[in-house]
Amino acid sequence: EDQVTQSPEALRLQEGESSSLNCSYTVSGLRGLFWYRQDPGKGPEFLFTLYSAGEEKEKERLKATLTKKESFLHITAPKPEDSATYLCAVQAGDNFNKFYFGSGTKLNVKP
Amino acid sequence: NAGVTQTPKFQVLKTGQSMTLQCAQDMNHNSMYWYRQDPGMGLRLIYYSASEGTTDKGEVPNGYNVSRLNKREFSLRLESAAPSQTSVYFCASRGDLPEELNRQYFGPGTRLTVT
Repeated sequence: EDQVTQSPEALRLQEGESSSLNCSYTVSGLRGLFWYRQDPGKGPEFLFTLYSAGEEKEKERLKATLTKKESFLHITAPKPEDSATYLCAVQAGDNFNKFYFGSGTKLNVKP
Repeated sequence: NAGVTQTPKFQVLKTGQSMTLQCAQDMNHNSMYWYRQDPGMGLRLIYYSASEGTTDKGEVPNGYNVSRLNKREFSLRLESAAPSQTSVYFCASRGDLPEELNRQYFGPGTRLTVT
């Protein structure tokens, strides 16, 4: 059964304290792995797509990496405005329309 | 360019009542989706539509029906609401162009409570 697991469930950081969020997956035929940011009361907002092991993408203080079993979202010197829930999703198999989401990591960055 | 819009934003229903959640996108995307989001669980796919005139079941379709009215609009109907359908519902569309391929665009959500 296809599964996506995110850890930790919640993470509290001080401003400037770098850390990483984990997304591990067990799927057949990975087509793509996606990271989204979700602010309270809003819909998820796209951050990155990764397609193959070894691939990396960066945007401001965020860097996403992918291996054959997991992805990491590295947050360097976070700011309070980075506080949000970060969701991971995978697209796998023959059906381009099936996406499997993890339950998210809620990040809180204290000033 | 409004992206993906959903109505209503909030709704309270009594058990057994029916309602339709509306979704529209202005990006000319072929694929559209309905998800539900519950605390501690990831987004779960209810139904999707790969193109105008087609719909398919996702992971949790029981108790729901959908209509792809045209390329822009994809509605979700609850025929007889149950408390287990209390959730936040998100509509999404998927990009077709190479630079946005497979990226999903989400609406702001509908918060539904069934009492």
